[in-house]
Amino acid sequence: QQKVQQSPESLTVSEGAMASLNCTFSDGTSNNFRWYRQHSAKGLEVLVSIFSDGEKEEGRFTAHLNRANLHVSLHIREPQPSDSAVYLCAVKSGGSNYKLTFGKGTLLTVTP
Amino acid sequence: DPKIIQKPKYLVAVTGSEKILICEQYLGHNAMYWYRQSAKKPLEFMFSYSYQKLMDNQTASSRFQPQSSKKNHLDLQITALKPDDSATYFCASSTGNYAEQFFGPGTRLTVL
Repeated sequence: QQKVQQSPESLTVSEGAMASLNCTFSDGTSNNFRWYRQHSAKGLEVLVSIFSDGEKEEGRFTAHLNRANLHVSLHIREPQPSDSAVYLCAVKSGGSNYKLTFGKGTLLTVTP
Repeated sequence: DPKIIQKPKYLVAVTGSEKILICEQYLGHNAMYWYRQSAKKPLEFMFSYSYQKLMDNQTASSRFQPQSSKKNHLDLQITALKPDDSATYFCASSTGNYAEQFFGPGTRLTVL
């Protein structure tokens, strides 16, 4: 049973400072990793997807994956107050299933 | 225009009643999903459908029944409602198993 854990639970950064969020997963066959953002219990917005070890950049959002360490991270460059939201890590296990397993999220607050 | 429509946005029900949550997607996707987000819990996978066939079912209770009348519709019927069913239910869709899942705005269900 896949377990996905995110840290920290909450993070406050100043506008313009780098924000770094972490996610660990338990299933070493996992092959599909996504970061979503959720503003105040609204729908989810996908930020970046990554499938192989290394780095993937989408605008100000960069994901780093290290499958040997069961770790994926998200770095937000020059965060703005509008980036304040809950950030969710989602992991798909290997195999033919369609299921995404989510972490509990990191609440990011960006102060002006 | 919204690409994934969920109706209603808010729903209040009494214990023991039955409700249907509606989901329609206009992204041309072949796979559709239901997830549930309860207070203090991670977003939780419930069902996946591909070409109107059930692919994964992670819901232990038979009170939850997905219904796919058309390729771009996946409704969720919930019977014998309980207060623990109170949650926001999200519908999602994708082009296939490994593709990005796009989420609808959710239906917030409250069971009294």
